[in-house]
Amino acid sequence: QKEVEQDPGPLSVPEGAIVSLNCTYSNSAFQYFMWYRQYSRKGPELLMYTYSSGNKEDGRFTAQVDKSSKYISLFIRDSQPSDSATYLCAMSARGSTLGRLYFGRGTQLTVWP
Amino acid sequence: GAGVSQSPRYKVTKRGQDVTLRCDPISSHATLYWYQQALGQGPEFLTYFNYEAQPDKSGLPSDRFSAERPEGSISTLTIQRTEQRDSAMYRCASSSRTGEGETQYFGPGTRLLVL
Repeated sequence: QKEVEQDPGPLSVPEGAIVSLNCTYSNSAFQYFMWYRQYSRKGPELLMYTYSSGNKEDGRFTAQVDKSSKYISLFIRDSQPSDSATYLCAMSARGSTLGRLYFGRGTQLTVWP
Repeated sequence: GAGVSQSPRYKVTKRGQDVTLRCDPISSHATLYWYQQALGQGPEFLTYFNYEAQPDKSGLPSDRFSAERPEGSISTLTIQRTEQRDSAMYRCASSSRTGEGETQYFGPGTRLLVL
């Protein structure tokens, strides 16, 4: 079993829909939680970053972390065709190689006009 | 530089050949990471450098894989005696310093195909 599990999708939604992406993890040492967005033929780029539990909002994007359930989510409101990409969750643990990221496999999202 | 660059972008090689991949991090970034990303999977950690030091090689799949960063800037990843299972996207990332939660900036990757 991988340390980070993520449903690969694909997920296809109409423009304007609310999108919910999520990951589960097994390592209770994870403290830093990130969402990366990866467009086709590009490298992952950091979208959201959260430390420990709680919510973080940035424009149309909201990241949630529930450490008790080992579950993280990314919500996209008013989704746009430009949001079409693969979304990767990533996390890192205290005490291990500093900064080493553990990724989910990514969820492919398509937002159609 | 403006971002992390990697070369070549694509590499096709025959089984048994050696390949060397190059990563040019964001200038002045102290920390550099190598990841391997199989098709349909997320990146998996291979190794990292803090300047020229290589504190963690635990993700390297076998002793056929090695990495260098001799002057603390450009890094190379070498795979000797390539095997078909080495086919993957190899990604490099850099961050300004080593630390938990530091933002990693990824390059476009090198897609390696071993025939």
